[in-house]
Amino acid sequence: LAKTTQPISMDSYEGQEVNITCSHNNIATNDYITWYQQFPSQGPRFIIQGYKTKVTNEVASLFIPADRKSSTLSLPRVSLSDTAVYYCLVGEGAGAGSYQLTFGKGTKLSVIP
Amino acid sequence: GAVVSQHPSRVICKSGTSVKIECRSLDFQATTMFWYRQFPKQSLMLMATSNEGSKATYEQGVEKDKFLINHASLTLSTLTVTSAHPEDSSFYICSARKVRTEAFFGQGTRLTVV
Repeated sequence: LAKTTQPISMDSYEGQEVNITCSHNNIATNDYITWYQQFPSQGPRFIIQGYKTKVTNEVASLFIPADRKSSTLSLPRVSLSDTAVYYCLVGEGAGAGSYQLTFGKGTKLSVIP
Repeated sequence: GAVVSQHPSRVICKSGTSVKIECRSLDFQATTMFWYRQFPKQSLMLMATSNEGSKATYEQGVEKDKFLINHASLTLSTLTVTSAHPEDSSFYICSARKVRTEAFFGQGTRLTVV
C-alpha cells in the first residue's frame, strides 16, 4: 500500500481557501486518491475521490498532477465547522470490493475566526 | 448515501468483562467490513478485516482471541472485546463498502474500561 505524507497541522482564517497537499510517491497504477474528514469522536466522512487531473464536488476540489505522486485537496471559503482532521488515502478505488484503507497521520485543520 | 451504523456509541465496562460492538450496513450488503481502533490524538489503525461467512483476517499485533469478530450476515459484523482491560479503552470504528463506491464509516464506539 502506498504511503502518504501530509502536513501535521494547518491554520486558516474563516472565509479563506485552504489547500492541503498530500505526497504519495509510490502510488500504483490502480490506486485512487481519497480524502476523508474526521471530527472528534466521530467516524471519518468521505469528502472526495479522484484518479487524475481534477475532480470537484459540492464541498471540495481535488487536484492531481500528471505524475500522480501528489494531490491537493482544496476547500473553498472554510468556516469554523471545517475544523477537523483530514486524511489522504491511496488505494484501489471503485470497483475493488474489499480493498483496505490505511490511514496516515492526517492533517489537523484549525479554522480561526 | 450509504449508511453504516454502530452500536453502542459509548460503553463503560468493568475490567475483565466482555463487550460486543455491532456494525450494520443499513441500506446495502457488505461482504467485507473493516474494524479500526483509534487512540486519542492518533490516526485510525486497522485491526482486522471481517469477511462474511469466513474467518476474519487480523493485522499483525492484534490478538484474535481477544478481539473476536463475527460477520454472520451481509449487513452485520460484530466485534467482541473479551476480558477487557483499561488498556483496551479506545475509540473503535467500523467501515463497509458497497461495490464500486467509497468506504463508509460508522459513527464509532467509545469504549472505557474501568
